[in-house]
Amino acid sequence: GNSVTQMEGPVTLSEEAFLTINCTYTATGYPSLFWYVQYPGEGLQLLLKATKADDKGSNKGFEATYRKETTSFHLEKGSVQVSDSAVYFCALRRSSASKIIFGSGTRLSIRP
Amino acid sequence: KAGVTQTPRYLIKTRGQQVTLSCSPISGHRSVSWYQQTPGQGLQFLFEYFSETQRNKGNFPGRFSGRQFSNSRSEMNVSTLELGDSALYLCASSGQAGSEAFFGQGTRLTVV
Repeated sequence: GNSVTQMEGPVTLSEEAFLTINCTYTATGYPSLFWYVQYPGEGLQLLLKATKADDKGSNKGFEATYRKETTSFHLEKGSVQVSDSAVYFCALRRSSASKIIFGSGTRLSIRP
Repeated sequence: KAGVTQTPRYLIKTRGQQVTLSCSPISGHRSVSWYQQTPGQGLQFLFEYFSETQRNKGNFPGRFSGRQFSNSRSEMNVSTLELGDSALYLCASSGQAGSEAFFGQGTRLTVV
C-alpha cells in the first residue's frame, strides 16, 4: 500500500543552522508529494509541493526535490529561524485521489 | 478569499454522547475531506465528500458519519462517543480531486 516514512523527532537546532528532515515514500504510480507545517494550536498549512519526478518545491527558504529513484522528498533549509519551530509532515496524494497519506510528523525546535 | 472555517474550535463531551462538527470550505471548492489527528495514530483520513456524495471513506467505525450540503458545507457526526475519540478533527477543501488541499484550524474534541 501507499505510505510515508519520515525521520523521528524531535529535532532541536540552533538558529541559522542547516535543516534536513528525511522523508521516503512507498506508492504505486506517480503521486504528488507535499510538506505541510503545523504551528501550535493550528491546522495544517501547505509548505511546498512537487507533482512529478525531479520537480523541486520551494517556499519561505524551504526546499524539497522529488526523487523517483530513491523514493524520497527530503525537506531542507539553509538557515533556520526560531519562527520555524513547528511540526512538519511529509505527505503524498495519488493524482486522482482525494485521500492524503501523511507521515508521522517531525517536531522541530529552534534555539535562539 | 476566506479560508476553510471549522466550528466550533473546542468541544468537551461526555462518553456516550454524540457530536456534530461543521466545516465551510473555500468558496468554489466542492471537495471536503475530514481527518482525525491523535498523538498515537497521527493523521488519519476519515472520508471525503464531493458534490454532496461520499466519494471515499477511511477505516473508521460506523459511528463516524458525515454529509455535505448543496452549498458544499460539510458536517461530521460521531455517535456514542468514546474516550479514544478525543482528537483534533481537521477539514480540508479542494477544488477537485488530486488538487491542492487547504486545511482549517480544526476542532479539538475532548471526551470525558
